[in-house]
Amino acid sequence: ELKVEQNPLFLSMQEGKNYTIYCNYSTTSDRLYWYRQDPGKSLESLFVLLSNGAVKQEGRLMASLDTKARLSTLHITAAVHDLSATYFCAVDIYGTASKLTFGTGTRLQVTL
Amino acid sequence: EAQVTQNPRYLITVTGKKLTVTCSQNMNHEYMSWYRQDPGLGLRQIYYSMNVEVTDKGDVPEGYKVSRKEKRNFPLILESPSPNQTSLYFCASSLGPGRDSGANVLTFGAGSRLTVL
Repeated sequence: ELKVEQNPLFLSMQEGKNYTIYCNYSTTSDRLYWYRQDPGKSLESLFVLLSNGAVKQEGRLMASLDTKARLSTLHITAAVHDLSATYFCAVDIYGTASKLTFGTGTRLQVTL
Repeated sequence: EAQVTQNPRYLITVTGKKLTVTCSQNMNHEYMSWYRQDPGLGLRQIYYSMNVEVTDKGDVPEGYKVSRKEKRNFPLILESPSPNQTSLYFCASSLGPGRDSGANVLTFGAGSRLTVL
């Protein structure tokens, strides 16, 4: 059974600081997604990582994938309040987005 | 606008009263799926469909049924709801096989919050 673990589960950080969210998974996959969810809202796609060594960046967020270590990271640079949300990683073992296994999510709170 | 539409968005019902949550997408996607979101558990897949008349169980299918009679619609049916099905439900869709893998991203609906008393 595929397991996807995120840590930390909750992260409170000050504006301007850097931090990394980790996503470990238990079986071989070379396709991983990161999603953002604002309170009471749906999930919004942030990044799709398609191969070992893939790195994607958008604004203050950068995601990477190491398939050998079965690890993805979401790095936050100089956090701002607007980044406050819950972030999910999801592993796609079939490569078609038909069946994703999600982590439990990391709730990020950025304080002034 | 390309979107996945779910209805109802909010529903309170009682144990045993059959209900259906509808899902429709206007992107001509082949794949559709249902997830439920519970605190501390992330999202778990209930059922998915890879084409019309093709459906399969996800990780938590017990107590649910689905059908895919048309490409755009994928309703979720709770024949006899129970309190442990109180949850936030998301329908999602993606392009399907043979498409640009970078573009084959799961698009989610707005969610349906169901409470079973």
